[in-house]
Amino acid sequence: GAVVSQHPSWVICKSGTSVKIECRSLDFQATTMFWYRQFPKQSLMLMATSNEGSKATYEQGVEKDKFLINHASLTLSTLTVTSAHPEDSSFYICSASPPGLPGTQYFGPGTRLLVL
Amino acid sequence: DAKTTQPTSMDCAEGRAANLPCNHSTISGNEYVYWYRQIHSQGPQYIIHGLKNNETNEMASLIITEDRKSSTLILPHATLRDTAVYYCIVRARNKLVFGAGTILRVKS
Repeated sequence: GAVVSQHPSWVICKSGTSVKIECRSLDFQATTMFWYRQFPKQSLMLMATSNEGSKATYEQGVEKDKFLINHASLTLSTLTVTSAHPEDSSFYICSASPPGLPGTQYFGPGTRLLVL
Repeated sequence: DAKTTQPTSMDCAEGRAANLPCNHSTISGNEYVYWYRQIHSQGPQYIIHGLKNNETNEMASLIITEDRKSSTLILPHATLRDTAVYYCIVRARNKLVFGAGTILRVKS
């Protein structure tokens, strides 16, 4: 199957700092990528849909100024958590759909963020 | 997208078939059934999807009832590594909405 990578795999930061997470599709081009968040013992929650060359579409309740998404190329989307606080500590996961398979998403391994 | 209902958890003996049910009684004609799984602390993994016909790939088989109101994911010979949360998702649009899923525990 298609491969999606994320970097870093885990990060610890101080409250008030910003953290950037990268999501790359390694063997296919993705015009659309997705960002999810998962709290312990809960299911994945879609945060936003990242569209190459245009603004991201955020789900209801997700602050677009806090979670900045950039999809500058067909293989790279980034999520920046600005002014992170302890309540932003979570497992962040991205996914991408190969061309011609809009419902089939390949997921990255996730990034675990801990804000102290 | 239609709502799905799955059992909270299931146990399966190693080497036996694991049959995971999913109800989607409000599914509409253009909605596909997708199955993903998430092993602890990893990103979800695509397993299989279908519209009307039964589907099989190297990982699993998907059996969809004729009225499309329910489906079953079959792992033919479950191994310990198949222990995971299995998500049944019905979608028509690009987005996937994850429910609580079924925790499958494969036991030796």
